[in-house]
Amino acid sequence: DSGVTQTPKHLITATGQRVTLRCSPRSGDLSVYWYQQSLDQGLQFLIQYYNGEERAKGNILERFSAQQFPDLHSELNLSSLELGDSALYFCASSGKGGTNEKLFFGSGTQLSVL
Amino acid sequence: GESVGLHLPTLSVQEGDNSIINCAYSNSASDYFIWYKQESGKGPQFIIDIRSNMDKRQGQRVTVLLNKTVKHLSLQIAATQPGDSAVYFCADRFKTGANNLFFGTGTRLTVIP
Repeated sequence: DSGVTQTPKHLITATGQRVTLRCSPRSGDLSVYWYQQSLDQGLQFLIQYYNGEERAKGNILERFSAQQFPDLHSELNLSSLELGDSALYFCASSGKGGTNEKLFFGSGTQLSVL
Repeated sequence: GESVGLHLPTLSVQEGDNSIINCAYSNSASDYFIWYKQESGKGPQFIIDIRSNMDKRQGQRVTVLLNKTVKHLSLQIAATQPGDSAVYFCADRFKTGANNLFFGTGTRLTVIP
């Protein structure tokens, strides 16, 4: 158990809908990262937050947004969903978000857009 | 953006043999490399990491080798066991100050009993 909690584990929705994925980092970790993993693909970095503020942005679509709350949990919002958004979404956390810190990943949320 | 890639998408080894999983990276500004193992239905799990000022690092049954000249990274697993069957990802980090990792597409290791 990595200590990173993601909910829900599975999410099935329809095209055009909006969903929210939730992540609780390891106790004491200030930095949260979101990654997308499509079928048989590597993990694509989406966005990083540190202590409530956006720190780095990757290949995140404009339809997607995220935030990190004062209690350090994070939410990833996906809107106007398309079939191609079906993927595993992982959250990871690290201590202070500094370089050379290991990332600890949650078990992911499997999103299926029908 | 992403700079790492895997030489082979799949690898099958006999139980007890050593496994070598290779990875190439393209960005000379990468200063940190890390290997993760992902079992089916689970999130990536840290295996071992190495900084760019090192050539080799050993862990328990695993060794990571870094060749900066040819931008090549490898993960060696000694005495491979059935529990080692998983997808293995290498990832790198650029000297940008941010801590986000860029992952390759992974190699699926299958251990044959």
